[in-house]
Amino acid sequence: EAGVAQSPRYKIIEKRQSVAFWCNPISGHATLYWYQQILGQGPKLLIQFQNNGVVDDSQLPKDRFSAERLKGVDSTLKIQPAKLEDSAVYLCASSLGAGVNSDTQYFGPGTRLTVL
Amino acid sequence: AQSVTQLDSHVSVSEGTPVLLRCNYSSSYSPSLFWYVQHPNKGLQLLLKYTSAATLVKGINGFEAEFKKSETSFHLTKPSAHMSDAAEYFCVVSEGGGSYIPTFGRGTSLIVHP
Repeated sequence: EAGVAQSPRYKIIEKRQSVAFWCNPISGHATLYWYQQILGQGPKLLIQFQNNGVVDDSQLPKDRFSAERLKGVDSTLKIQPAKLEDSAVYLCASSLGAGVNSDTQYFGPGTRLTVL
Repeated sequence: AQSVTQLDSHVSVSEGTPVLLRCNYSSSYSPSLFWYVQHPNKGLQLLLKYTSAATLVKGINGFEAEFKKSETSFHLTKPSAHMSDAAEYFCVVSEGGGSYIPTFGRGTSLIVHP
């Protein structure tokens, strides 16, 4: 079975520019997650979707970050404008169930963002 | 509210010796607990998980973890380290009780010496 796909794998931008990341979860997975992983830290959940609804976005900096999951399948995460501290790896994950805290998450390879 | 604490940022062992990576959690409900591994330049992968069944959980590559409610711990162990075990390990809690939002620990880097 195909895994979680993310693109691009790497992105370098200047501060104040905008950037978008794309994620295609495993087919049939109801829940999709976006994480930010800063070097040397654990992943921080930015937003969690169940189908095309938002379960939690309490740690998403909404003044600059936005995310959508159209038709409950793939998802995009956007940063506008980017700041230096946004330099991180952005991970997408999906899990099968909806509203199940015991589900395994399957992770994509991540997008490494460098903001200069 | 839930939280997870990985007590060691780095653990260094010799090949063939036991591994212990420590994780304590806080939860108001009966949580699910996970260990994920991240090898260099590879994606995060599930090692094992506890979901209120057996308290001793066996995972891939010889790893296991024991859920101890009285100690609020979920430590990861392996009897004999292999060079290929060198990686970053993350403990994750998902609280339950109507909440299914996962929280990651900061990670423990396992270093294996030949």
